[in-house]
Amino acid sequence: DGGITQSPKYLFRKEGQNVTLSCEQNLNHDAMYWYRQDPGQGLRLIYYSQIVNDFQKGDIAEGYSVSREKKESFPLTVTSAQKNPTAFYLCASHFGTGDGNQPQHFGDGTRLSIL
Amino acid sequence: SQQGEEDPQALSIQEGENATMNCSYKTSINNLQWYRQNSGRGLVHLILIRSNEREKHSGRLRVTLDTSKKSSSLLITASRAADTASYFCATGGHNTNAGKSTFGDGTTLTVKP
Repeated sequence: DGGITQSPKYLFRKEGQNVTLSCEQNLNHDAMYWYRQDPGQGLRLIYYSQIVNDFQKGDIAEGYSVSREKKESFPLTVTSAQKNPTAFYLCASHFGTGDGNQPQHFGDGTRLSIL
Repeated sequence: SQQGEEDPQALSIQEGENATMNCSYKTSINNLQWYRQNSGRGLVHLILIRSNEREKHSGRLRVTLDTSKKSSSLLITASRAADTASYFCATGGHNTNAGKSTFGDGTTLTVKP
């Protein structure tokens, strides 16, 4: 079955530590996104990528970094500069680029907490 | 700031009743989408309505769009306990924001058996 796989499901970060969240899709989608969701709130865009080796900052990119070396993979690193990382992180993807009309497919998220 | 804002924040109904959720937005859009999120899961796309459409149906779902009022509504008819979830509207990319969607804070729907 095609879909988006996020791992791990739960992740704990120690003070001063960088952690990386994995997002893999086998849908052959061009565009991929990372969102942050805080309790009772909507999604805020962290980073997005429309093609391999290219990505753009979203609304809350500070303290995060990404790479897009392969079409199917878009890992997110939460750096020690992100002082409030506790949240639910969602990865999404869709066909096409430069067109906001495509429905996004989502993974089941990674819940990140501080130890 | 969020583009779409859902209303009400929370809604509780009995099974079999209809549920109506509203979404308002601020700037012009290419399309508006509705998503559902079950607790602790990712979002699932429900329906997309383009800016030149006024109404769209999909099974028990009916979406309307009024671009003059910058608002949309999602109606779920004959609700079931399995419809319990949060529902989000997302406005689709326009011009320089092409490819990006902006999500509201959602409506939490509880359907009591």
